[in-house]
Amino acid sequence: AQKITQTQPGMFVQEKEAVTLDCTYDTSDQSYGLFWYKQPSSGEMIFLIYQGSYDEQNATEGRYSLNFQKARKSANLVISASQLGDSAMYFCAMREGGGKLIFGQGTELSVKP
Amino acid sequence: EAQVTQNPRYLITVTGKKLTVTCSQNMNHEYMSWYRQDPGLGLRQIYYSMNVEVTDKGDVPEGYKVSRKEKRNFPLILESPSPNQTSLYFCASSGYYNSPLHFGNGTRLTVT
Repeated sequence: AQKITQTQPGMFVQEKEAVTLDCTYDTSDQSYGLFWYKQPSSGEMIFLIYQGSYDEQNATEGRYSLNFQKARKSANLVISASQLGDSAMYFCAMREGGGKLIFGQGTELSVKP
Repeated sequence: EAQVTQNPRYLITVTGKKLTVTCSQNMNHEYMSWYRQDPGLGLRQIYYSMNVEVTDKGDVPEGYKVSRKEKRNFPLILESPSPNQTSLYFCASSGYYNSPLHFGNGTRLTVT
């Protein structure tokens, strides 16, 4: 069965430093997609980055990169040069070939000035 | 502007009183889905729809109904709400399989 695990309920990082948010997944499908979303305190869900299971290179979007290790079934989000505005809840999600999409429990990131 | 519109944003109701949360998207997306968000549990999928007249259960479908009569609309129906359905609900849509979800702004439901 599909499963997503985010083991860090809360994280702190100093402004301008890099931070890695962990995500491991479990699936028996060969074809799947992995997503990261940000949810600030205002509540909206903001798409950050996508990685397909057949993508050979790690995805990058500006300050966000996804460290994809397929054999280990991990898809960690790396935020470089943290900013105060990065303080938010972060969710990892996985979608298999059908319509089912599951989310992890989330990691609350706090950026300290 | 491309968007997913959910209404209402806030809803307080009593146990057993039927309610509908509407969801509409203007991006011609085939895929639409509903989630509930509860502290410590992340977002859990309630129902999803791959296209008009095609709906499937997610992980927590009990107590909910949906319909997809038109491509743009995907209402969530609670026939007999109970207090354990108090939650933050999100509707979302996407185009292709690997496209990111576009989320509505959420509906905070309280059932007393």
